[in-house]
Amino acid sequence: EADIYQTPRYLVIGTGKKITLECSQTMGHDKMYWYQQDPGMELHLIHYSYGVNSTEKGDLSSESTVSRIRTEHFPLTLESARPSHTSQYLCASSISESYGYTFGSGTRLTVV
Amino acid sequence: AQTVTQSQPEMSVQEAETVTLSCTYDTSESDYYLFWYKQPPSRQMILVIRQEAYKQQNATENRFSVNFQKAAKSFSLKISDSQLGDAAMYFCAYRSRPTDSWGKLQFGAGTQVVVTP
Repeated sequence: EADIYQTPRYLVIGTGKKITLECSQTMGHDKMYWYQQDPGMELHLIHYSYGVNSTEKGDLSSESTVSRIRTEHFPLTLESARPSHTSQYLCASSISESYGYTFGSGTRLTVV
Repeated sequence: AQTVTQSQPEMSVQEAETVTLSCTYDTSESDYYLFWYKQPPSRQMILVIRQEAYKQQNATENRFSVNFQKAAKSFSLKISDSQLGDAAMYFCAYRSRPTDSWGKLQFGAGTQVVVTP
């Protein structure tokens, strides 16, 4: 049973639209992450957060933005979607370094 | 920066047999954590097993076990008595112990495990 929830599960949207991918966790984890998973299945960190009002860009440059106003919520926004944004987006959270991540089920985004 | 290498894009195994997935990593740190994750098709990624670098004993979780060779920077996963449900993409991951790393996981490229009846 997942304690981290991503919505929507699938999204098809037109070019130029603004979208927000939702990620919420009920575990009280301070650390949260967004990964982009390409068709070859490699995972690329695009954003992370250490806690409320703390966000950083990841290793892969992304045109998306994130916010962390509440501990449990870490949404990702694309102001103007493009076909190059087509990918799977995975959200994860973690309680400490000694533990791994808990992942959400992902959002598969297609921009047409 | 640490790098994680999984040199096997795909591995095939018959049911009830054993398969070993390889993972090597590059780091200058002495204390860290290693993980194996499983991602079934269109399903959530889940943690399979974790290893703390300062522990010599290899981790085991039911049919899953690791061979951790710290000097060689190697962290292989063995799946024993393979089942159809083991078919998935498996990712090896590295995590630094110092907190200033923000606890980020560094993932390998993944190994696809195919289980045949």
